[in-house]
Amino acid sequence: GAVVSQHPSRVICKSGTSVKIECRSLDFQATTMFWYRQFPKQSLMLMATSNEGSKATYEQGVEKDKFLINHASLTLSTLTVTSAHPEDSSFYICSAPPTDGTDTQYFGPGTRLTVL
Amino acid sequence: GENVEQHPSTLSVQEGDSAVIKCTYSDSASNYFPWYKQELGKGPQLIIDIRSNVGEKKDQRIAVTLNKTAKHFSLHITETQPEDSAVYFCAASSQAGTALIFGKGTTLSVSS
Repeated sequence: GAVVSQHPSRVICKSGTSVKIECRSLDFQATTMFWYRQFPKQSLMLMATSNEGSKATYEQGVEKDKFLINHASLTLSTLTVTSAHPEDSSFYICSAPPTDGTDTQYFGPGTRLTVL
Repeated sequence: GENVEQHPSTLSVQEGDSAVIKCTYSDSASNYFPWYKQELGKGPQLIIDIRSNVGEKKDQRIAVTLNKTAKHFSLHITETQPEDSAVYFCAASSQAGTALIFGKGTTLSVSS
């Protein structure tokens, strides 16, 4: 199947700093990518939809000024957690559906963010 | 919007037994139902999916059934093995390329 990568796999940062997470589709193009957040022992919750060449759309309750999303190319979306706080510590996962119109979505391996 | 309910939240079986996980969805427009397996610290891995024009799909020890009228779908794992132990998530979407709505997950433990 198609491959989605994320970088970094884990990051530890101090409270108040910003962290950037990259999501790449390695062997297919994705005009849309999705960002999910997963707290321990919980399900994946959709945070936002990243659209190549246009603004991201955010789910209710997700602060767009705190979670900045940039989808600069058909293979790369970035999520920047600005002014991170300990409550932002979570597992962030991206997914990408191929542009061929199929339903299948491929998930990245996730990024573990720990804010001290 | 769509809401996906998943049961049970935990499931313990002996090696070789079968395991069944059930999900219900609320949006009758949903037409795509994947199942993902997630191991600790890793991203979800697609194990099987089914579309609304099909009632059942099988892949070796794994099968999925869909009842559109009742709006529920189930994952069946036969001859379970310890390496099947993981968290399993069901999901639903109504259109290709749209975000998936996930169930809360089932922690499957297979003891040898």
